[in-house]
Amino acid sequence: GDSVTQMEGPVTLSEEAFLTINCTYTATGYPSLFWYVQYPGEGLQLLLKATKADDKGSNKGFEATYRKETTSFHLEKGSVQVSDSAVYFCAPKAGRRALTFGSGTRLQVQP
Amino acid sequence: DAGVTQSPTHLIKTRGQQVTLRCSPKSGHDTVSWYQQALGQGPQFIFQYYEEEERQRGNFPDRFSGHQFPNYSSELNVNALLLGDSALYLCASSVDPGGSNTEAFFGQGTRLTVV
Repeated sequence: GDSVTQMEGPVTLSEEAFLTINCTYTATGYPSLFWYVQYPGEGLQLLLKATKADDKGSNKGFEATYRKETTSFHLEKGSVQVSDSAVYFCAPKAGRRALTFGSGTRLQVQP
Repeated sequence: DAGVTQSPTHLIKTRGQQVTLRCSPKSGHDTVSWYQQALGQGPQFIFQYYEEEERQRGNFPDRFSGHQFPNYSSELNVNALLLGDSALYLCASSVDPGGSNTEAFFGQGTRLTVV
């Protein structure tokens, strides 16, 4: 079945630091790729997505590029803020199959 | 638009009891998926409902069952509760179950504690 490997957290950064959260996936077929974010005590919110190879998804300063050759979808942000502290989930979705989530990466941004 | 709404937000049940969780999808959405998220883990897919039928199912025992109503709202039922069923249960709605690029919108979840 589909699977996701994310870098283990927590990732602790100072405000305005550069962020990278690695994500690699395995999926049969040609999946779309999603990043979801979960703030404390809340459900998941879609952060960004990419639907085909070399597509770049972006939102709120976050970016991720669909790399089919390396089956990766790493999340980046040039300057993080305290308000970005949350858990981030990478998830492929192929055809009719449901989203497959990894264990998530907790980001802690310190002032 | 109220988005995806789930009820209740929290509940506590005793081992062996049965529980029903409810979900109203985002306006215009016809597909509902349920996920279980244990503490510190990612969401695990339970099942998906479309046109009042279970279309897909994850690796969960038959104690987990569901229903979708004509207005697209859905229920998740868990029988014979175990301590290990304690988790955040998330409902997600979407428009088309067939497309890989379909966006899923999540509710705030129901926190179930089994004692």
